[in-house]
This record gives sequence, C-alpha cells and structure tokens, in this order.
Amino acid sequence: QIQLVQSGPELKKPGESVKISCKASGYTFTDYAMHWVKQAPGKGLKWMGWINTYTGKPTYADDFKGRFVFSLEASASTANLQISNLKNEDTATYFCAREITTRVDYWGQGVMVTVSS
Amino acid sequence: DIVMTQGALPNPVPSGESASITCRSSKSLVYKDGKTYLNWFLQRPGQSPQLLTYWTSTRASGVSERFSGSGSGTYFTLKISRVRAEDAGVYYCQQVREYPYTFGAGTKLELK
Repeated sequence: QIQLVQSGPELKKPGESVKISCKASGYTFTDYAMHWVKQAPGKGLKWMGWINTYTGKPTYADDFKGRFVFSLEASASTANLQISNLKNEDTATYFCAREITTRVDYWGQGVMVTVSS
Repeated sequence: DIVMTQGALPNPVPSGESASITCRSSKSLVYKDGKTYLNWFLQRPGQSPQLLTYWTSTRASGVSERFSGSGSGTYFTLKISRVRAEDAGVYYCQQVREYPYTFGAGTKLELK
C-alpha cells in the first residue's frame, strides 16, 4: 500500500540544523511531486513548497527561501527537508505530501521539530 | 498571493444533521484548461490532513458520498450530509491554481 513514512521527532537548539526525511513506498517515486507543509502548534497549515522528484528541482514559497532546502535520495525513494540556523518560530510539525495534477492525496504522519534553548 | 477565507460553523452540530463550510478566494481559481483548482481537506485531531475533494467537486478515492464540494470562480462550499462522529476535526480549503499554494485558516467541526 502507499505510504509516506517520516523520520522521528527532533529537539534542537536555536542556530542548529535539522534534516527530516520522508520515505515513500507503494508507488513509483518519480511519478509524483513531493510537497512540504508546516503546521505550528495549534495553528493551520502553511504550504512551504515542493520538489520535482523527476528533475530534483525545488520550488519554495517566499517565507521558506534561504534556510530551507528540499532534496532527494531518489534511489531510496526519499525526500528530505533540511532547515538551517533554526529559530524558535520553526517549532512546528512538518508534513510531506505527494501530489499529481494538483491532487495532494497522501500525507506523511508529520515530524514534530521543537526548537528550544 | 491568493488569500483563502473560510467561514465558521455553528458548533456544535447535531449528529445526523448537515453542515456546510464556505471558502472564498481573492482571485478566480479557474485555470485556462477550464478546471477550478480548489482542494478540501479534513484534519482529525492528532492526524495528518486527508484529501476530501479536488478540482472543486471530485471526491478523492475512498471518500464518503456524504462529502460534496461545489462552487466556481471565487466562492466554494463543502457540504457534509448526515454528520457523524468521525467527521469531527478541522476542514481546510486550499487553492492550487497558482504558486504559492495557499490554505484557508481552517473551520472546526464539533459534534453534539
């Protein structure tokens, strides 16, 4: 069956970096784009951008340009999100979600990243 | 950026009743191919969002017929018929007409 399995929760200090993974299974990885969505505690969903899993080209929303990097390990059907120079406001759950023709139909379980000194 | 504005529900909603959630976009979501690019999601407590409908009114695979999306241009509605306990959660609309894709703030459905 189709699954997006994300890595475990992270506790980081301000200024550190974190890398979150999203491993896909049950479908051809490169047939679907991968999107990333942020959800701060108790808040709504915020679209961060997406990565073309065939070409590796990322597209970032304006608020996520600079410290955020989407990458792939295509041979392992895995998409990654790296956040550098972490800030308190990066504390959130981060979801990956696959998409084809604008249907965002499967989501990972989410990764809670806590930034605290 | 396209701004998505969702309406509230008169919570709590009695089980078995219908509920309608509205969503307005600051720009038409109709693309040159004639499709209207609006998704609806349900996020149950502690879970990931679940796609309910896409292209305004097409139900996603496995989604109950009790969920129906409608609308055009800049005004959209998600109707939930015969509300059940498992429908509780927060509903989000999302425009996928252009980047950046944007979500509404969410509409909470509580059951009586």
